[in-house]
Amino acid sequence: AQKVTQAQTEISVVEKEDVTLDCVYETRDTTYYLFWYKQPPSGELVFLIRRNSFDEQNEISGRYSWNFQKSTSSFNFTITASQVVDSAVYFCALSGGTSYGKLTFGQGTILTVHP
Amino acid sequence: DGGITQSPKYLFRKEGQNVTLSCEQNLNHDAMYWYRQDPGQGLRLIYYSQIVNDFQKGDIAEGYSVSREKKESFPLTVTSAQKNPTAFYLCASSLLGVGVPGYTFGSGTRLTVV
Repeated sequence: AQKVTQAQTEISVVEKEDVTLDCVYETRDTTYYLFWYKQPPSGELVFLIRRNSFDEQNEISGRYSWNFQKSTSSFNFTITASQVVDSAVYFCALSGGTSYGKLTFGQGTILTVHP
Repeated sequence: DGGITQSPKYLFRKEGQNVTLSCEQNLNHDAMYWYRQDPGQGLRLIYYSQIVNDFQKGDIAEGYSVSREKKESFPLTVTSAQKNPTAFYLCASSLLGVGVPGYTFGSGTRLTVV
């Protein structure tokens, strides 16, 4: 069975602070994909990143960066110099080889950035 | 533009009634999924379908039913057997059989029991 755990239920920061959202996963698959999604108050899921299990390179996209460590089964997400517009619920998700097509989500982290 | 359309955006149901949530996609995606979102519990899979006229139960299928008569459509019926149906429902779709999975989500239906 697959499992995704986001330990932080809620995070509150002040604008311009850096913030890291943690994600730990469990899977028996050797081939799998990890995702991060942002859910603003409107409810739609906004795709942020997809990473496959064979690519442990960290990725940076503007103020966003992701740290994938297979050894600790973690896929953490950092927002640098946070802004009020970053306030949202963030989900980490996993799609594995044997359950290909089904996404397993973490519980989500509510991020609030105060001006 | 290709995408997923969910309707209605808001739905109110009286106790004991069945209601059907619509999900239509024009992406020519093979697979479609229904997720339920409750506060603090993330998204949980209700049902999924990888091909027309076939579907499988997800983690929380009790009290729900689906059909997949057309590739483009995957309606979800919330039956009176669902004890606590008030939630946010998201529909998604994806291609299958390709190297890298990608998912498209609808904008959701918020169901409230009154």
